[in-house]
Amino acid sequence: QKEVEQNSGPLSVPEGAIASLNCTYSDRGSQSFFWYRQYSGKSPELIMSIYSNGDKEDGRFTAQLNKASQYVSLLIRDSQPSDSATYLCAVQNTGGFKTIFGAGTRLFVKA
Amino acid sequence: DAGVTQSPTHLIKTRGQHVTLRCSPISGHKSVSWYQQVLGQGPQFIFQYYEKEERGRGNFPDRFSARQFPNYSSELNVNALLLGDSALYLCASSLYETAERGYTFGSGTRLTVV
Repeated sequence: QKEVEQNSGPLSVPEGAIASLNCTYSDRGSQSFFWYRQYSGKSPELIMSIYSNGDKEDGRFTAQLNKASQYVSLLIRDSQPSDSATYLCAVQNTGGFKTIFGAGTRLFVKA
Repeated sequence: DAGVTQSPTHLIKTRGQHVTLRCSPISGHKSVSWYQQVLGQGPQFIFQYYEKEERGRGNFPDRFSARQFPNYSSELNVNALLLGDSALYLCASSLYETAERGYTFGSGTRLTVV
C-alpha cells in the first residue's frame, strides 16, 4: 500500500463546475495535511493546509479531512481554465520530519 | 524578499560523474528539505536539515548526501550518477523545524544524466 494515494486522472471538468480531488493515506499518526498545485514545468505551490477533521475553506478551495477514514479531499468551486494543473496531496509523517507526496491528480478545466 | 533559490537550473552530466546542487532558503527559514521528482510522479523525500543537523532521510542510496551551512543554505551531492537519477531536484524551505505549516519550494534543478 502506498503511503499517500491519489487517482492519477486526468480529471476533466467544464469551466464553472466543481472539481473534486481525493487522497488517502496510511500513517494514522499524521497530523498535518496539504494540497499543492503544480503547473507543468514548474515547482509545487502550497494552496491549502488542514489539521483537524472537517472542512476548511479558502476562497474557491475547500479542503476536507476525515482522520478516521484516513481521507483528504480538495474541492475547487467555479473551476477556471487557470486551475488546470497537477494537484499533489501531501501528508506529514508521524514525527514530522518527512512530508510524503502522492503522485498527483491532473486536472483539466475546459473553457 | 527573495524566495527559495536553487542553482543551477539545468544540468547535464554523464553516468558515473558527481553533481552538487545548491539551495538558499527564504531568509529566516532554518529548515531545508530536498526532494526528487521524476516525470509523472510526486516528489520523493531525500533529506531534511534543521539548524545544520540531519533530521530525516528518505529511501535513497548512500550515493546521495547533503549538508547545511551556518547561513542555512544547503547542498545536495550525488555520486556515481546513474541514468535513473535524471529528475527534477526540489529544495523546500520551512520556517518551522517540522514543516507543519508546509513548504515553499524553489524552482528546482533539472538534472539529466546521459
